[in-house]
Amino acid sequence: NAGVTQTPKFQVLKTGQSMTLQCAQDMNHEYMSWYRQDPGMGLRLIHYSVGAGITDQGEVPNGYNVSRSTTEDFPLRLLSAAPSQTSVYFCASSPQLSTLGGELFFGEGSRLTVL
Amino acid sequence: GENVEQHPSTLSVQEGDSAVIKCTYSDSASNYFPWYKQELGKGPQLIIDIRSNVGEKKDQRIAVTLNKTAKHFSLHITETQPEDSAVYFCAATLNSGYSTLTFGKGTMLLVSP
Repeated sequence: NAGVTQTPKFQVLKTGQSMTLQCAQDMNHEYMSWYRQDPGMGLRLIHYSVGAGITDQGEVPNGYNVSRSTTEDFPLRLLSAAPSQTSVYFCASSPQLSTLGGELFFGEGSRLTVL
Repeated sequence: GENVEQHPSTLSVQEGDSAVIKCTYSDSASNYFPWYKQELGKGPQLIIDIRSNVGEKKDQRIAVTLNKTAKHFSLHITETQPEDSAVYFCAATLNSGYSTLTFGKGTMLLVSP
């Protein structure tokens, strides 16, 4: 059972370049989200989706775009990378839209460095 | 919005000792408090959670306590083992939605054999 799969695991970009971080889940989860993890900052929500065709902003959305055309996929796009976007990115999903259901399932992360 | 403070940032214990990680939250309306464990190179994984109508919850060597009056909750790990070494995150949410789940900054737990 694959769970939440993120690609690539590592990426180096130059300032101004664009790229897409891929996230796919095979658990038929309605809720999907992207977090960034920075040293001493914990996990901060970038964007989230409660179903195909529905997305919304989290705490730190600037510089990132998302779309949700299928239940399975939730790509994160960096339109013009900046050094401040150097971070580890995690995709997470849940079968429920509410925490009353419990668990977020995380991918293994994508480490991005912007030079 | 919610603010979650987590202490300590690092914690070193000997195998077999107990470990306690504490978190405080700012909004008295928060009603759900999960704890996640992140092993090196992996994504976080839920280990235990508690809701505001419960004061304590146990799962084998792990327990979480909640003090709603003081607005703090704690993770207790007894009989620590080297495989408990990881980063632990607490979190809190106001209205049960994942979009409002606020994480603490994490505690790195090191268990020495």
